[in-house]
Amino acid sequence: RKEVEQDPGPFNVPEGATVAFNCTYSNSASQSFFWYRQDCRKEPKLLMSVYSSGNEDGRFTAQLNRASQYISLLIRDSKLSDSATYLCVVNRPVLKLSFGAGTTVTVRA
Amino acid sequence: GAGVSQSPSNKVTEKGKDVELRCDPISGHTALYWYRQSLGQGLEFLIYFQGNSAPDKSGLPSDRFSAERTGGSVSTLTIQRTQQEDSAVYLCASRQQGYEQYFGPGTRLTVT
Repeated sequence: RKEVEQDPGPFNVPEGATVAFNCTYSNSASQSFFWYRQDCRKEPKLLMSVYSSGNEDGRFTAQLNRASQYISLLIRDSKLSDSATYLCVVNRPVLKLSFGAGTTVTVRA
Repeated sequence: GAGVSQSPSNKVTEKGKDVELRCDPISGHTALYWYRQSLGQGLEFLIYFQGNSAPDKSGLPSDRFSAERTGGSVSTLTIQRTQQEDSAVYLCASRQQGYEQYFGPGTRLTVT
């Protein structure tokens, strides 16, 4: 079983729509969770950390469900510029990260 | 300030040749990671350097792969006797505190 699993998508949504997707992780001892964004042929960049109580950053909302070991990302009012691959990232010992293969989102005009 | 830089940006090599990939981390970052990313795959951890500690080599796929970090800064990833399955994007990242890693633009390696 992979350490981090994501629905690869693609999620094709119109501008202004809401899109949400999850990832699951296998290590119940994981403590730190992140969403990274990767544009086509570019390097990954941190989008946001995911906190236990859930957190928002503008149009982006991240949720963590420890009991079911999944993390979600919701994007409201989608923009064309949100088109990217979103990587679910979970810490692993020691001070390393496990990356999911990514969920591709395409926002169309 | 300057981010993580990698060179070359693209490398095409013949099967069986050795290649060297370079990473310049963000100044002051004590931790440096190498990953590779194949098409449609997640990032695969290769090796991790932290300060002067012995590197964590647990992700290196074979003894053809090695890496060093000189003076706690620049790192070189070497692949000997390259194979076609080594074709991928090799990403370097550096970190100072916490878990956030900052990535370089990567080296796209193609083995023909």
